[in-house]
Amino acid sequence: VKLVESGGGLVKPGGSLRLSCAASGFSFSDYYMSWVRQPPGKGLQWISYISQTGNTAYYADSVKGRFTMSRDNGKNFVFLQMDSLRAEDTALYYCTRRNYNDNWGQGTLVTVSS
Amino acid sequence: EIVMTQSPDTLSVSLGESVTLSCRASQSVTNNLAWYQQRPGQAPRLLIYSASSRASGIPARFSGSGSGTEFTLTISSLQSEDSGVYYCQQCFDWPPNFSFGQGTRLEIK
Repeated sequence: VKLVESGGGLVKPGGSLRLSCAASGFSFSDYYMSWVRQPPGKGLQWISYISQTGNTAYYADSVKGRFTMSRDNGKNFVFLQMDSLRAEDTALYYCTRRNYNDNWGQGTLVTVSS
Repeated sequence: EIVMTQSPDTLSVSLGESVTLSCRASQSVTNNLAWYQQRPGQAPRLLIYSASSRASGIPARFSGSGSGTEFTLTISSLQSEDSGVYYCQQCFDWPPNFSFGQGTRLEIK
């Protein structure tokens, strides 16, 4: 199982960013997928969870209405579209498999600063 | 929202000893509880799921127990590589809001 995130970077408050996660080594369409983030020096925060088909996604209150999780089962990718970014969204963003997060990527760093 | 509270915040234990970490949920999560280890500079890794089942490749030194609102992670025969931060997470809430505890930092003396 391998998960590789990309797309992080420096963005101004109010800006947008799209994260990608390339999955390999397992039957991708059989699994729910999640995004978990970790602000610098702080703990883990669950932020999003998407069904196997991609028809349904769930979000933490802190990102609801601003972030959109999606997936492409044909190409084995998960995405996180992040709009209206705030300073408090600065974090290392991890792509994980399942609700129990049994596999993690290495993370991609998002910095929101003017 | 289910609030997960871990105790203690930090722990310092000698090599070879055993240690027990605690996690409390603000309401019952039945057995839908996971434990993770995060070593410095690394991504977290799953240790325990469903409160007491060891994840693939996790040594038998790690054991989880509990149900409802009270959970423990016990690590026996502590080794230097067990240093890090340990997190619990509930996977019970639906619609999903799979909250984590704040973490327990474990130092091996």
